[in-house]
Amino acid sequence: KAGVTQTPRYLIKTRGQQVTLSCSPISGHRSVSWYQQTPGQGLQFLFEYFSETQRNKGNFPGRFSGRQFSNSRSEMNVSTLELGDSALYLCASSLEPSKEELFFGEGSRLTVL
Amino acid sequence: DAKTTQPTSMDCAEGRAANLPCNHSTISGNEYVYWYRQIHSQGPQYIIHGLKNNETNEMASLIITEDRKSSTLILPHATLRDTAVYYCISLRAGGTSYGKLTFGQGTILTVHP
Repeated sequence: KAGVTQTPRYLIKTRGQQVTLSCSPISGHRSVSWYQQTPGQGLQFLFEYFSETQRNKGNFPGRFSGRQFSNSRSEMNVSTLELGDSALYLCASSLEPSKEELFFGEGSRLTVL
Repeated sequence: DAKTTQPTSMDCAEGRAANLPCNHSTISGNEYVYWYRQIHSQGPQYIIHGLKNNETNEMASLIITEDRKSSTLILPHATLRDTAVYYCISLRAGGTSYGKLTFGQGTILTVHP
């Protein structure tokens, strides 16, 4: 079956703009979580969604938001982009939030100029 | 979740077993040990996890010491495609903490011909 699909794979934005990233989980998976990965900070948890509800949220400012749709697809949005937002944004899905195995997409690489 | 420490890098000859150690001396009784790996420019990939007993799947074996303060991931016959960063994580499965995966710096495994 198809894996986790993230779009777009690469994008370039300028400071002050906003960006929306999309994630389609594996069919049947209802839990989606988002992570930011940078060389300096490693992989950091952003938020987790299940049944269209945010279950957990990491320590990121309010400029970072997300949502999940009834078909389990998820989007995350970053407003008022800053240079430090340049990162690889990873989406992961699992059957349920308590399932141990996360399946990651290949990520969306955001560059903020 | 307990802190884990891993060597920064390791080398392995193709076809030989790769043994990747991880220390998790502060692990609590209800925390699992998970291993993921990340091949360059891809999202992390789940490998294996365990609580107390040794585990084996089609990818690897996980050996956990009796006191659970350390573990070793074994790739029995390493190939060039196993070159990646390997992350050891201790995590309480289920509940509200799941989804907050925090990867450390991991071990860069280089498999050479």
